Amino acid sequence: GAVVSQHPSRVICKSGTSVKIECRSLDFQATTMFWYRQFPKQSLMLMATSNEGSKATYEQGVEKDKFLINHASLTLSTLTVASAHPEDSSFYICSAILGLAGKETQYFGPGTRLLVL
Amino acid sequence: QKEVEQDPGPLSVPEGAIVSLNCTYSNSAFQYFMWYRQYSRKGPELLMYTYSSGNKEDGRFTAQVDKSSKYISLFIRDSQPSDSATYLCAMSTPNTGNQFYFGTGTSLTVIP
Repeated sequence: GAVVSQHPSRVICKSGTSVKIECRSLDFQATTMFWYRQFPKQSLMLMATSNEGSKATYEQGVEKDKFLINHASLTLSTLTVASAHPEDSSFYICSAILGLAGKETQYFGPGTRLLVL
Repeated sequence: QKEVEQDPGPLSVPEGAIVSLNCTYSNSAFQYFMWYRQYSRKGPELLMYTYSSGNKEDGRFTAQVDKSSKYISLFIRDSQPSDSATYLCAMSTPNTGNQFYFGTGTSLTVIP
């Protein structure tokens, strides 16, 4: 099956630090990637849709200046948490789309656990 | 009303039991249905996907779609402790530009 990687898998940082998370599709090209946030024992919360070569589309309530998304190539999207604070601590998961129009499937990365002290 | 409803559980069954996980949906335009398994602290893993009503089988897993009732199910036969995870249903329509709708997930524990 399709493989999506994320790096780093875990990061601990001080408040005020900016953190970059990479999402890569390893064996396919993905024009569309999604970024999710997940709190313990809760479901996925879609943050934004990342399209290669264009600006990301953010969900309502997600600060685009706080969560900067760059989809510079067909295999790489990055999420930068700018000036992270403890309330940004969460599990961040990306996914990439593969498949024919109307039959697309999302393949998820393993997630990045962010802890802001 | 949410687009996709899924009982969060938790669901606890003895090893070897048949497990039935279900989702209902309200949008009759949904045509593509997926089931994901998510272990604790991991990303969701695609288990099965189907594009039509009826059953699709893969090993111990069977996905069932009933479009007339707007109801999908995932059956796990001979459940194993390694099946303990959260199971998410997801669905999409062909004409909304990669818009997916997820259930909240059902937490399953298989007791040895």
